Formats: sequence, structure tokens, C-alpha cells
Amino acid sequence: GAVVSQHPSWVICKSGTSVKIECRSLDFQATTMFWYRQFPKQSLMLMATSNEGSKATYEQGVEKDKFLINHASLTLSTLTVTSAHPEDSSFYICSARKDRVQETQYFGPGTRLLVL
Amino acid sequence: QKEVEQNSGPLSVPEGAIASLNCTYSDRGSQSFFWYRQYSGKSPELIMFIYSNGDKEDGRFTAQLNKASQYVSLLIRDSQPSDSATYLCAVNAPTLIQGAQKLVFGQGTRLTINP
Repeated sequence: GAVVSQHPSWVICKSGTSVKIECRSLDFQATTMFWYRQFPKQSLMLMATSNEGSKATYEQGVEKDKFLINHASLTLSTLTVTSAHPEDSSFYICSARKDRVQETQYFGPGTRLLVL
Repeated sequence: QKEVEQNSGPLSVPEGAIASLNCTYSDRGSQSFFWYRQYSGKSPELIMFIYSNGDKEDGRFTAQLNKASQYVSLLIRDSQPSDSATYLCAVNAPTLIQGAQKLVFGQGTRLTINP
């Protein structure tokens, strides 16, 4: 199998607070993980790519100081939304790549963030 | 021109018929092609991947790839109401990390299967 979990599944926070989202590959090691954001009725937008043990690579237009990514182990990556504002409210989804050959990504269930 | 293009739909198909979903991509260097299904409010789940020209079948699903024409399609036979979802086409692309690839997604086609 290829199971990816995310925690929490949803979070409501006040504007200005920071929120941490965890992404875990449960039954495989993932050297590369990806973080996406999806607004209602829109497609997935890649925010950043992270390799275990190195800095994340952010897509154009994504603020690296606002969206902190840490890929501390082969099974865990975290996304911290710092000083969250209402416009950061979205569906955040991580994915993990199982192997380098097939490039297949398996997605976590997503985290719905609402910033008040 | 978008890197990966899909008709956003909605595509409406009667139950039991064949649903045909199409996707075109712009990068001739792309090697890996994926179809994901996303139910409303949920994250995408992998349906199929295809790397070689031609057809690849898995149960009721058939992926078709034509690299010369730069299109990939997904056929769903004997469509069921549970197939109603948004179908995302994804194509690999290089990242700034050596040896790592990313997926570029189309906007998705919303499919409705009518009982």
C-alpha cells in the first residue's frame, strides 16, 4: 500500500496565530514530499517540494517565510502557516512520492484551514 | 498556454455508458502521466498512471497516451453514479531539486453520471 496521513484534518484559528500541519507516510519512506493548496472550485496548486534533510523548494509566488516546511525524516513533513490571515483559509494537501522510478504521488486526506 | 489543459465540464454521462475524459499537455519532454479522482471535499486519489504510448487498462478504466499529439485520455466503461467526481490529469515536470520531479495538474473535469 501507500498510505499518507495528515493531521489535523481541520483547524480553525484566529488571525495572527501560527498553525502546524503534519504529513506522514505510514507504510513507506518518502524522500520527497509535496505541499499543495486548493481553493474552492479550483485545481491543486503546488506550494513547495521538500526533500528529506534539505531545504524546501518553493513555487513562484509562495512566501517561504510564511509557509515554513520541515522534512525532518523519511516519513514526516510539516507545514507551518505563520501569522495566518483569513486569505490563508484553504484546503492544504500533502503528497508523498513512493519511489523515484514511477514518480507516483500519493495524497494525504488534506487539512482544511479556516482563519477567522 | 497552460501546461496541462482539461475541459472543466461538467460532463454528463448516463449510467452504464462510457465516459471519455481528455487532457492535453504542452511539454514534449513529459514522460509520466497520471489520472486522479477527487470527490467533493476530499483529496485526490490515484486512478492510473501511464508512461508508454497506447492503451493501459485497469478494470473499468482505460488510459490512452499519444505523445506525438500530446494528449492523454481516460475512458470509464460501464459508468456508475459513484464515478461522479472531478478527474484531474497530471503530468510530470522537473523541479529545481536535482533528480526530483513534480506534478503539474490540469484544472480538472467534473463528471456526473446520471442514473
